[in-house]
Amino acid sequence: KAGVTQTPRYLIKTRGQQVTLSCSPISGHRSVSWYQQTPGQGLQFLFEYFSETQRNKGNFPGRFSGRQFSNSRSEMNVSTLELGDSALYLCASSLGGHNEKLFFGSGTQLSVL
Amino acid sequence: QKEVEQNSGPLSVPEGAIASLNCTYSDRGSQSFFWYRQYSGKSPELIMSIYSNGDKEDGRFTAQLNKASQYVSLLIRDSQPSDSATYLCAVRGGSYIPTFGRGTSLIVHP
Repeated sequence: KAGVTQTPRYLIKTRGQQVTLSCSPISGHRSVSWYQQTPGQGLQFLFEYFSETQRNKGNFPGRFSGRQFSNSRSEMNVSTLELGDSALYLCASSLGGHNEKLFFGSGTQLSVL
Repeated sequence: QKEVEQNSGPLSVPEGAIASLNCTYSDRGSQSFFWYRQYSGKSPELIMSIYSNGDKEDGRFTAQLNKASQYVSLLIRDSQPSDSATYLCAVRGGSYIPTFGRGTSLIVHP
């Protein structure tokens, strides 16, 4: 069974630009959640999608948005990039139940210059 | 605000010893508990999950949960240099989303 696939693996952008990250979950998983990981803040929850609907949202500004398609693939968009957006962005998939385990993709390392 | 606390370490143990990693959480309604291992430059990988009080063993790993004390731990027996990584504790309550601690860095030296 294929794991969670994230693309691209690395991205370099400049301030003010926007970026779109992609995540394909494990087959059969209906929940995709996104996290930002930085050395200073650790793993912080961005949002979660389940069956094409945003089910939960973390405390990030509206510049961070996402969506999920009917095949459960998800995209995350960050507009008007800031230097502080430089981070590892991880997506995780699960079956979607309360106690389900998360399976993480390899992440997208975003650098904003 | 729900919090998950871990000692950042590094925790240094000799090869073959038992490594003990600890985690406390603030939400008494927490229902499920997870340990993830993250190697430098890699993504987190699930090691253990535990849902009820007591111990759960899987190979060299044992997770221990004490809900009354709001405490969960991970023991690694016969530690190997390949166990050197950051270990993340995650706790989930009534929502679908777990809260992660900042992780404990473990170093196993030969």
